[in-house]
Amino acid sequence: DTEVTQTPKHLVMGMTNKKSLKCEQHMGHRAMYWYKQKAKKPPELMFVYSYEKLSINESVPSRFSPECPNSSLLNLHLHALQPEDSALYLCASSQRREGPPMEKLFFGSGTQLSVL
Amino acid sequence: DQQVKQNSPSLSVQEGRISILNCDYTNSMFDYFLWYKKYPAEGPTFLISISSIKDKNEDGRFTVFLNKSAKHLSLHIVPSQPGDSAVYFCAASDSGGYQKVTFGTGTKLQVIP
Repeated sequence: DTEVTQTPKHLVMGMTNKKSLKCEQHMGHRAMYWYKQKAKKPPELMFVYSYEKLSINESVPSRFSPECPNSSLLNLHLHALQPEDSALYLCASSQRREGPPMEKLFFGSGTQLSVL
Repeated sequence: DQQVKQNSPSLSVQEGRISILNCDYTNSMFDYFLWYKKYPAEGPTFLISISSIKDKNEDGRFTVFLNKSAKHLSLHIVPSQPGDSAVYFCAASDSGGYQKVTFGTGTKLQVIP
């Protein structure tokens, strides 16, 4: 199983809503990532979890709250988002190597988020 | 400040010919480079990588060349096939922050049958 599964595939939410994005992998990977991709732009790193601990937060606004309940699951909780947060949110995983080089990332298909 | 640039947003190539996708970077600390391919409605998938200690890496129809002095890398696809039509992203990381991968802006490749 080399899949990273993301749900939902599409999400429309109002600025006062609370929603969550979910990501799951069963490859035994110990590093998981959230990326954000706007149209015609490259993916931008948001968060990295290593061994279920948050290791990188790229100065993401607090209205985005990541959670890693176990080694297979990664959530992104959304609250009070702005229309400019509309984007494709990609989850990825990789083997957790103790040092470089960077292992290749396995990406999910993403959640297309629209904030109204 | 875009540290990884792909200056050609799109490229069209005839089936069977060579596709050459280019990537330039500005951060001299980058020492590991990867190429990803992305189909519509799917996440990027890893294609090939190269370490800065090498100048070439091959995997089947795909070859990546690295010119460190020019801070330039290229992906060659030979022969190109219609199934190669996708957006290709160049990505880079450095040993100090190796989990922080910086992606380029992408090149949309169309292979014409």
